[in-house]
Amino acid sequence: GQNIDQPTEMTATEGAIVQINCTYQTSGFNGLFWYQQHAGEAPTFLSYNVLDGLEEKGRFSSFLSRSKGYSYLLLKELQMKDSASYLCAVRGLHSGYSTLTFGKGTMLLVSP
Amino acid sequence: DGGITQSPKYLFRKEGQNVTLSCEQNLNHDAMYWYRQDPGQGLRLIYYSQIVNDFQKGDIAEGYSVSREKKESFPLTVTSAQKNPTAFYLCASRNRQGPPYEQYFGPGTRLTVT
Repeated sequence: GQNIDQPTEMTATEGAIVQINCTYQTSGFNGLFWYQQHAGEAPTFLSYNVLDGLEEKGRFSSFLSRSKGYSYLLLKELQMKDSASYLCAVRGLHSGYSTLTFGKGTMLLVSP
Repeated sequence: DGGITQSPKYLFRKEGQNVTLSCEQNLNHDAMYWYRQDPGQGLRLIYYSQIVNDFQKGDIAEGYSVSREKKESFPLTVTSAQKNPTAFYLCASRNRQGPPYEQYFGPGTRLTVT
């Protein structure tokens, strides 16, 4: 089976840095994704890690440690528009096919 | 513009009625997926399809059915057997052949059954 844990809520201040953690247990691990979802909207892709280490993309970075089953999403220079839910998703095997299993999401509230 | 469309955005039905949610993509993706999202929950996989005329049950397939007669289309039927059908339904697709590896999502359909 697959199990993904991430904090339910986080708060931060505009301009600050926030780190959202994700731990997972899965069979047939083949990559970890982070998505951003604003209320009532579709998730949008942020980052993908398949090897250990840090991937940087502008204000957003994502880290993966496969041996620890751990990832984090780092958001720098927070803006009000970053208030959203952040979903950690792990790609694994389901009936022999590659599928994504999502965590419940971390609701980030950025305040002025 | 390439993308995924879902219609309608809001759908209301009476209990006991079947309802079909549409999902169309023009990204030439082989794989398509249906998810359900409830408040405060992550996305849960209902059904997925890797190629035309083939599909597999996800984690919560009971009370749902799908078809994949065309590459571009993957409609989901919510049957009267689904005990809690009110939810936000998201369709996604991805390229099976290589990068990019991420799934692309449609705008979603919010279904309310009373």
